[in-house]
Amino acid sequence: AQTVTQSQPEMSVQEAETVTLSCTYDTSENNYYLFWYKQPPSRQMILVIRQEAYKQQNATENRFSVNFQKAAKSFSLKISDSQLGDTAMYFCAFHNTNAGKSTFGDGTTLTVKP
Amino acid sequence: KAGVTQTPRYLIKTRGQQVTLSCSPISGHRSVSWYQQTPGQGLQFLFEYFSETQRNKGNFPGRFSGRQFSNSRSEMNVSTLELGDSALYLCASSPRSGGITDTQYFGPGTRLTVL
Repeated sequence: AQTVTQSQPEMSVQEAETVTLSCTYDTSENNYYLFWYKQPPSRQMILVIRQEAYKQQNATENRFSVNFQKAAKSFSLKISDSQLGDTAMYFCAFHNTNAGKSTFGDGTTLTVKP
Repeated sequence: KAGVTQTPRYLIKTRGQQVTLSCSPISGHRSVSWYQQTPGQGLQFLFEYFSETQRNKGNFPGRFSGRQFSNSRSEMNVSTLELGDSALYLCASSPRSGGITDTQYFGPGTRLTVL
């Protein structure tokens, strides 16, 4: 079974600054995806970024980037130039490519302060 | 493309009743997964349907069931409701092309309150 650990229940950052959210996972699988999802107070879960395990290059989406360390089973999310709209709960998720399920961490509540 | 839709958005039921929730996936997506989200347990996987067949199941009692129709729309049913079933129920759709599950896209959820 897979487990996903987000060790930071809450974080805050000043607007325009950079913040990194951590995530570690445990699996014996070799083929999988990793995702970061954002869930704002409105509750709609939104995909932020995804990483295929077989790709060594770290994924980047505009202000969002990941640091994927496969050997260490670490998958952190860096948000650059934080904006007030980034305030949300962020979930790290492990996704087995052969199963239609994701295993989620407990989430990190991020508050961006003006 | 329209996103994943879930109906109803809010439901209030009493203990012992049953409830049916509906999920319409993104057009072309054949996989639908269901999750339960609670403050105490976080996001827990319920089950996945693909091509009208349940492919994966989480650790939930048999009171939780589902089905998928030929147009990929899915329903989830909870019978004999308990107070602990109060939660946000999220549906996610994925293309699942070639049997491999790709990115899941979530709907807005159905907030179920059991009194």
